[in-house]
Amino acid sequence: DAGITQSPRYKITETGRQVTLMCHQTWSHSYMFWYRQDLGHGLRLIYYSAAADITDKGEVPDGYVVSRSKTENFPLTLESATRSQTSVYFCASNAGTGDEKLFFGSGTQLSVL
Amino acid sequence: SQQGEEDPQALSIQEGENATMNCSYKTSINNLQWYRQNSGRGLVHLILIRSNEREKHSGRLRVTLDTSKKSSSLLITASRAADTASYFCATASGGSYIPTFGRGTSLIVHP
Repeated sequence: DAGITQSPRYKITETGRQVTLMCHQTWSHSYMFWYRQDLGHGLRLIYYSAAADITDKGEVPDGYVVSRSKTENFPLTLESATRSQTSVYFCASNAGTGDEKLFFGSGTQLSVL
Repeated sequence: SQQGEEDPQALSIQEGENATMNCSYKTSINNLQWYRQNSGRGLVHLILIRSNEREKHSGRLRVTLDTSKKSSSLLITASRAADTASYFCATASGGSYIPTFGRGTSLIVHP
């Protein structure tokens, strides 16, 4: 049951290239989040969005751009990929304050060569 | 920076035993959540406990919260091989309800 889906599942790119990771949710959740997961660091918040056209930085936003023109989509763009951005990226969503349980996608494993 | 830190980093037990994982945090929280992550998958929510609650149960899971010690524990009773996964605590603090995750505890349950 696809409530929140990420694509692609795996991506290999080269340094300097632009790459966009997609996230789509079918629950009409207000909040959407992008985390990256690295060994030794756990999950770190990159960007989040409280509603369409409202986005804000998380802990590690440098080198990333997000947009949210529609409630259901929250793409993450690496403008000029670097090796340090090799990671597993997770998108998540929730209904907002009062219902903070996060629903996660299956992740995108990104390798920057 | 991580707000919550799980302990131990790794835990190996036999099926049928209980597994206890701890989470310590630094600043006052609004709520604390526990998540499970199976290898190669996204995180799955287990339990949310609010700052005014002390204990919650869900099936074989028991979560406690001690705000005076700034710590929480997750107990899995009668563990099964299928409980093998990484477990993360996530806290929301101050005026924010956005979860900040720890580094996780890796649990292996041997059949």
